[in-house]
This record gives sequence, C-alpha cells and structure tokens, in this order.
Amino acid sequence: DAKTTQPPSMDCAEGRAANLPCNHSTISGNEYVYWYRQIHSQGPQYIIHGLKNNETNEMASLIITEDRKSSTLILPHATLRDTAVYYCIAVNAGGTSYGKLTFGQGTILTVHP
Amino acid sequence: DAGITQSPRHKVTETGTPVTLRCHQTENHRYMYWYRQDPGHGLRLIHYSYGVKDTDKGEVSDGYSVSRSKTEDFLLTLESATSSQTSVYFCASGPMVGQETQYFGPGTRLLVL
Repeated sequence: DAKTTQPPSMDCAEGRAANLPCNHSTISGNEYVYWYRQIHSQGPQYIIHGLKNNETNEMASLIITEDRKSSTLILPHATLRDTAVYYCIAVNAGGTSYGKLTFGQGTILTVHP
Repeated sequence: DAGITQSPRHKVTETGTPVTLRCHQTENHRYMYWYRQDPGHGLRLIHYSYGVKDTDKGEVSDGYSVSRSKTEDFLLTLESATSSQTSVYFCASGPMVGQETQYFGPGTRLLVL
C-alpha cells in the first residue's frame, strides 16, 4: 500500500470548516483513500473513502485531486466533538489485502471554542 | 455502528501468565482483526481472520495466537504474557474484501506486571 503523509497537528475554530490534507504521491490505480478518526480512548471510526471521484456523506466530504496524489478531508462545520486523530490510509482494496489497514501517525485535529 | 464488543475492557496480569481477549461481533462480518496501539507506534495489526478457522499473521504477531471457531467470535491469546505486551488492544470487523470499511471495538487495556 502507498505511504501517506499528513501534518502532525491542526487547529480549527468551532463552527468553521476543517480541511485536513493528505499526500499519497505514490498511490496506485487500484488503491482507495480511506479516512478514519480516533477520539481519545476510543476505537477508530470509519469516516469516508474514495477512489477517484469526490465523495460526501453525513460526516464529511473527500476531495481527491485529479492526479490522485493528494486528498483533503473536509468537516464542514467542526464541533468540539470532532477533536480527534485523523488517519488517511491508502488501501489496495480487494485481492489478497484482506482489508488490512496500515495506520500512520495521523493528524491531531483540535477544535477550539 | 456495527455491534462489536470486547472483553475484558481492562485487565492486569503478571508476566508469564496466559491471557485471552475476546472480540464479539453481531454483524455477521466475514473479516476480523486484532490491533495493538502503543505510544509512538500507532495502531499495528497483530492477526486477522478471513473466515471461520481461517487466520493469518499481521505485522506484530510474535507472542500472540488467535482462534476463530464461530463467525462472531475472534479470540486473541497471549501464551505467556510479557511486559512488552502491555498495550491497548482493538478488535475490528469488516463485511467483505473490496469494502475495506472496518468497525472497531472499544478496546481492551492490558497491563502486564
């Protein structure tokens, strides 16, 4: 699976959009971009994933650049409960990957009042 | 969220004793995983299962064994616990390959004295 690079930490004001970048310049054509987050002392939580197109769900939006070398997770209206570590993971979906995830250090997002 | 539970949630044990952690899911997911999380290392895959009685090693499998006799249960055993196995253990499950969304349990905090 391709390596991903994320900033170690970011801040955001409550009510504003949080834009979390991820670089995956070596991603291959069959690798998806997955985002998970981990709130303190809890298990990781799936947020969203995409291959080429932008995606949106009730939690967030995922913007993937046309060359697929980077992506941005957008939390449109951050709340204090969005304070967490956010992980961007490139996953070779299917085949012999068996869904295994390789977590990096992620981005610590702190939402301020 | 998928119904996935872990037991016990906390455990203190002594070096050299066997320990078994249990993961139980009610979603009929085929794939299950055990991770450990340590400061400075993030989440690392210990073992995973791709079906009943089908398991394989992950990144940090030494000193651990697993068993899956039923779809809903995935057991992690430390044959002879060591202090280096003090960690937080997370179990996860996923429905299918090609849909690498994993649902995580709340974690088990294990302290080996």
